Amino acid sequence: GAVVSQHPSRVICKSGTSVKIECRSLDFQATTMFWYRQFPKQSLMLMATSNEGSKATYEQGVEKDKFLINHASLTLSTLTVTSAHPEDSSFYICSAIRQGARGYTFGSGTRLTVV
Amino acid sequence: KQEVTQIPAALSVPEGENLVLNCSFTDSAIYNLQWFRQDPGKGLTSLLLIQSSQREQTSGRLNASLDKSSGRSTLYIAASQPGDSATYLCAVRPINQAGTALIFGKGTTLSVSS
Repeated sequence: GAVVSQHPSRVICKSGTSVKIECRSLDFQATTMFWYRQFPKQSLMLMATSNEGSKATYEQGVEKDKFLINHASLTLSTLTVTSAHPEDSSFYICSAIRQGARGYTFGSGTRLTVV
Repeated sequence: KQEVTQIPAALSVPEGENLVLNCSFTDSAIYNLQWFRQDPGKGLTSLLLIQSSQREQTSGRLNASLDKSSGRSTLYIAASQPGDSATYLCAVRPINQAGTALIFGKGTTLSVSS
């Protein structure tokens, strides 16, 4: 089946630093990947849609200069949280869909804590 | 704008009980609906996917139904076990458009006591 590998699973960083999160589709090509954020006891909220070879599309209220998304290949999308602040602490998770499949596959998520 | 609501937000039951989780959505123009399980601090595990043309799907002790016209889906868990304790998320995929993301409800947190 379709597998999406996401890492790191957990990261703690100092305020003001940048953190990169990677998502790889292991056995399929993902022309589109989605990045979600989940705050405690809240639902998954779509942050942006990442398309291979083009600029990401960000949801309203998500700062594109703060959350940099790069989708340079058909199997890799990265999310970089720049100048992280404690309020950026959250659970970030990516998903992709294999062409022809009906359901989405999700990465295992990244727990970001900014101290 | 599509909105997905899940009721109840939390549920506690003794082991062995049958239970029903509810999901409703405001726009019936969906491609499919998917139920996920999320353990604390973990990613999502897909449980069942129902296409818009289907009425229900079954996997083991789980049965999901879909009434697209009324904007409702239920997840039925038979003979609940402590290992079923988790948060259950319902998500809809809007009518098939390239690059369309899932829209999630807030989830139902289930606790099954032994």
